[in-house]
Amino acid sequence: DVKVTQSSRYLVKRTGEKVFLECVQDMDHENMFWYRQDPGLGLRLIYFSYDVKMKEKGDIPEGYSVSREKKERFSLILESASTNQTSMYLCASSPTWDRDQAYNEQFFGPGTRLTVL
Amino acid sequence: SQQGEEDPQALSIQEGENATMNCSYKTSINNLQWYRQNSGRGLVHLILIRSNEREKHSGRLRVTLDTSKKSSSLLITASRAADTASYFCATSKNNNDMRFGAGTRLTVKP
Repeated sequence: DVKVTQSSRYLVKRTGEKVFLECVQDMDHENMFWYRQDPGLGLRLIYFSYDVKMKEKGDIPEGYSVSREKKERFSLILESASTNQTSMYLCASSPTWDRDQAYNEQFFGPGTRLTVL
Repeated sequence: SQQGEEDPQALSIQEGENATMNCSYKTSINNLQWYRQNSGRGLVHLILIRSNEREKHSGRLRVTLDTSKKSSSLLITASRAADTASYFCATSKNNNDMRFGAGTRLTVKP
């Protein structure tokens, strides 16, 4: 079974702190994603990576950065946490796009609920 | 935008009834997927339908896709209390551009 793990289920930080959210997948997937989920807004893509040391901005990258030094690990960094970054953060991974099959199922971690005070 | 929009936002039914959720989107897609999320957890993939398919079944799930109307529906037959969850549609055209809607919150009362 594919397993995507996230370092914390719940996290409480103070405004201005630097926050690291870690995600690890064990299926040798090329693609990894970070989303935030807020009520009424669904999932919004923050950043994604399709290879080691590669990263692409999603729809809402402001205030975030990412790091992918190893294939299995994708980190989300809040350089200076703010209260509007209080949210559920979801990590996902997927294998290389199969253009013939149009197949790109994503596998999600359990999420990290971050509260910034 | 490509982002799907689910309808209704919330749905409450009795156990044994069928539940139908709809998803609309705005641009052309390569595939559409449905995911389920139990409260406070990650999303789990349910079913994928490609743009050249019109209907797909998986157990008690039936998905339809109408690309001319840019819409999809998810039908859960003979619902169970354990089906209580939020359901999201996700559309994509390429590898890394999947976009999710805001979801439908389904409550199945025993």
